[in-house]
Amino acid sequence: QVLLVQSGTEVKKPGASVKVSCKASGYTFTGHHIYWVRQAPGQGLEWVGWINPYSRDTNYAQRFQGRVTLTRDTSISTAYMELSRLTYDDAAVYYCAREAVAGGNFFDYWGQGTLVTVSS
Amino acid sequence: SYVLTQPPSVSVAPGQTARITCGGNNIGRENVHWYRQKPGQAPVLVVYEDSGRPSGIPERFSGSNSGNTATLTISRVEAGDEADFYCQVWHSSSDHLVFGGGTKLTVL
Repeated sequence: QVLLVQSGTEVKKPGASVKVSCKASGYTFTGHHIYWVRQAPGQGLEWVGWINPYSRDTNYAQRFQGRVTLTRDTSISTAYMELSRLTYDDAAVYYCAREAVAGGNFFDYWGQGTLVTVSS
Repeated sequence: SYVLTQPPSVSVAPGQTARITCGGNNIGRENVHWYRQKPGQAPVLVVYEDSGRPSGIPERFSGSNSGNTATLTISRVEAGDEADFYCQVWHSSSDHLVFGGGTKLTVL
């Protein structure tokens, strides 16, 4: 079955960077875009960006441009999200999600989420 | 930027029909997707491309989209349907993915 398993909770200081991983299994990793979505405590969902694991093409939400980098390692079917220059506003649960069909821009499987805490 | 507007909350009695709206400029021209999220869990797709239903989602869940409003309809609401619901589109003009602010469904 399809699974997306994310790395564990992170605690970072303001100004630091965080890198979250998302390991895929149960399907061809290069066949589906991976999206990243975050959710601040008590708030709604916010899109961060996507990566095409086949081509390495990326697309970032404008508000994260210059601070976020999405990468992947096809040898271990893992996608990564790195967010730099963290502020308290970046504290959130970060999810990876699989695009269901090419170009569909909707998600049929999600990771369990990774809590990122920003604290001095 | 493109904005999707959802009511913060909707309340309905068990067995009744819940309708959750998602407003956006000419949203009828976009493909709208809906997710259900229960506390402490990741979102789950319940409707895709306006009215498609993923496998495993009950027929009680349906969607429509026209003009400036998309609607998620949940028939014969059950206590277990209590959750937050989010609409989502890919706004091609801005090349951005957008979520609505979310609606908390309460079953009375």
